[in-house]
Amino acid sequence: NAGVTQTPKFQVLKTGQSMTLQCAQDMNHNSMYWYRQDPGMGLRLIYYSASEGTTDKGEVPNGYNVSRLNKREFSLRLESAAPSQTSVYFCASSGQGTYGYTFGSGTRLTVV
Amino acid sequence: AQSVTQPDIHITVSEGASLELRCNYSYGATPYLFWYVQSPGQGLQLLLKYFSGDTLVQGIKGFEAEFKRSQSSFNLRKPSVHWSDAAEYFCAVVFTGTASKLTFGTGTRLQVTL
Repeated sequence: NAGVTQTPKFQVLKTGQSMTLQCAQDMNHNSMYWYRQDPGMGLRLIYYSASEGTTDKGEVPNGYNVSRLNKREFSLRLESAAPSQTSVYFCASSGQGTYGYTFGSGTRLTVV
Repeated sequence: AQSVTQPDIHITVSEGASLELRCNYSYGATPYLFWYVQSPGQGLQLLLKYFSGDTLVQGIKGFEAEFKRSQSSFNLRKPSVHWSDAAEYFCAVVFTGTASKLTFGTGTRLQVTL
C-alpha cells in the first residue's frame, strides 16, 4: 500500500519553463490537496479538490493550475516558473469525514 | 480571521527532559486539531488528533496533547525526550465548514542535546 505518491522528488527549472507535478493516491480518498512549504511559513494550501471533478483555490493559488484527472490523481502545473515558486511541494489526500490527511514525501523544486 | 499560532520557532531541550510545544488557534467554535512531525527531508507524519471527547489525547511515539477550550490551545507534550525526537513539529487545524482544509501553524523546530 503506497499511500500518496509524488513525482518527481527533485526538479530544477529555469525561469519561464513549465512543468507538472504528479500525485496519485491508492486509498480511495475523495479529497486531495496541494501545499507548498517555505521556511518559517509552515505549509500553505495552493489548491484542493474536495471530490472528483471539482477543484478550488486555496491560500496561494497564483501561478499554479491543477487537474483532478480521476479519483486517484491530482496534478499541479506551473505554466511559467518563477524563482518565488522555489519551494517544497506536498500532495495530500483525505477520506470523507476522517480529516486524517496522508501526505506524500514531497517534491523539492528550485527555479533559477 | 481563522489562524493557527505556534509562538516558539525553535526549542532546545536536553535528552530525558520534558517537552511542551505550544499551539493556539483563533476561531469561534471548536475546530479539529492535529499535530504533525516532520524529520529533515521527509514528509509529514501524524502524531495525534482531537475531534471531540476526552481533552487529553494520546498519540504515537509517546506524545500527548491537551485541548483547552478556554485558552484556545492544543499543546503537545512528552515526558522524556529522546534524541530521535529532533524534528519540526506542526500544529494544524480544520476549521469546520472549510471543506476539510488543514491550516498549519508555522512550525516549531526541536533540537535535542545529549
